Amino acid sequence: AQTVTQSQPEMSVQEAETVTLSCTYDTSENNYYLFWYKQPPSRQMILVIRQEAYKQQNATENRFSVNFQKAAKSFSLKISDSQLGDTAMYFCALSASGAGSYQLTFGKGTKLSVIP
Amino acid sequence: DGGITQSPKYLFRKEGQNVTLSCEQNLNHDAMYWYRQDPGQGLRLIYYSQIVNDFQKGDIAEGYSVSREKKESFPLTVTSAQKNPTAFYLCASSPDRGSGNTIYFGEGSWLTVV
Repeated sequence: AQTVTQSQPEMSVQEAETVTLSCTYDTSENNYYLFWYKQPPSRQMILVIRQEAYKQQNATENRFSVNFQKAAKSFSLKISDSQLGDTAMYFCALSASGAGSYQLTFGKGTKLSVIP
Repeated sequence: DGGITQSPKYLFRKEGQNVTLSCEQNLNHDAMYWYRQDPGQGLRLIYYSQIVNDFQKGDIAEGYSVSREKKESFPLTVTSAQKNPTAFYLCASSPDRGSGNTIYFGEGSWLTVV
């Protein structure tokens, strides 16, 4: 079974500062993908960033970047120049397929508050 | 605009009633999913469908049923057998059920038992 752990239930950051959200995972598959989703107060889940496990280069998307440490099974999200609109729940997710099966697992989320 | 539409946004159910949540997508995706979200629990998979007329149970399928008669539609029925149905329900889709595919979500439906 695969697992995703987000150890920070809540975090806060001052506007314009940088914050890092942690995520660790476990899987026995070699081919997998990692995602960060954002869920603002409207509750719609929005894809923030996606990382292929076979790529060593860390994914970036504007102010969002990841620190992917494959050996440590760590996938943290860094938000630079935090904005009030970044206030949301952030979910880390792992998808993997192998032996004819496919599984997508979400962490329990980190609630991020951006303070003016 | 392409996307996933869920309705209704808010639904109240009396004890012992069945209710159906609608999910429609115009993304031409083969795979569709239903997730349940409870506070502090993240997302849990109820059912998924990889193709029309086929669907599989997820981790918490008991008390729920689905159908997939059309590619664009994947309604979820919450039956009276579901003992604690009050939750936020998210419908999602992806091009197919491959691990590299991004899953796209609808805006969700709130179900409350009264």
